[in-house]
Amino acid sequence: ETGVTQTPRHLVMGMTNKKSLKCEQHLGHNAMYWYKQSAKKPLELMFVYNFKEQTENNSVPSRFSPECPNSSHLFLHLHTLQPEDSALYLCASSQMAGSLTGGIGNTIYFGEGSWLTVV
Amino acid sequence: AQSVTQLDSHVSVSEGTPVLLRCNYSSSYSPSLFWYVQHPNKGLQLLLKYTSAATLVKGINGFEAEFKKSETSFHLTKPSAHMSDAAEYFCVLTGGGNKLTFGTGTQLKVEL
Repeated sequence: ETGVTQTPRHLVMGMTNKKSLKCEQHLGHNAMYWYKQSAKKPLELMFVYNFKEQTENNSVPSRFSPECPNSSHLFLHLHTLQPEDSALYLCASSQMAGSLTGGIGNTIYFGEGSWLTVV
Repeated sequence: AQSVTQLDSHVSVSEGTPVLLRCNYSSSYSPSLFWYVQHPNKGLQLLLKYTSAATLVKGINGFEAEFKKSETSFHLTKPSAHMSDAAEYFCVLTGGGNKLTFGTGTQLKVEL
């Protein structure tokens, strides 16, 4: 157990469906992340939240909509996805210092991922 | 700009023999480097990290890595492979900020 819990672990959805992925961390961290892991590709950072504020959107299509109601919870709302969006979506958390101090060396802890299949 | 290069996409070893997974990095900042392992259908688990303290870092499950600034390398080693070590391994770099740069991964296969 890493202290980062993702639900559901597996999700199959049609292209017209709306669904959400949920992530919860029990580590007292103040930064949370969504990553996408596709077959044969490096992990792709999607979004970063620090203290509930989005600090990075890595050119993610608007059909992915993140929500961070507090430092312990992070959602990824999914709408009108495409088959190429099928992937493993990993949530992570860490302590995050301010941008000047950078948080260098702060370990990022990952959840076990949500396998998404778009049909 | 920063980058991580994992030199081997696949490594195959026999059980009981040493493991070497290679990682080279490039960073404009003093780097922090991590190795994560991902078993099938699982998330990423931290094996070890280097953050400018001792250059030889010991991690879980008998793994260790040595930070060599002159060679810009952070190779992962284990003296004796076990079947349970079969997984994908990621070398990861942070430089400025908390943004991680991932290598493309090395799939380790352990044979009897």
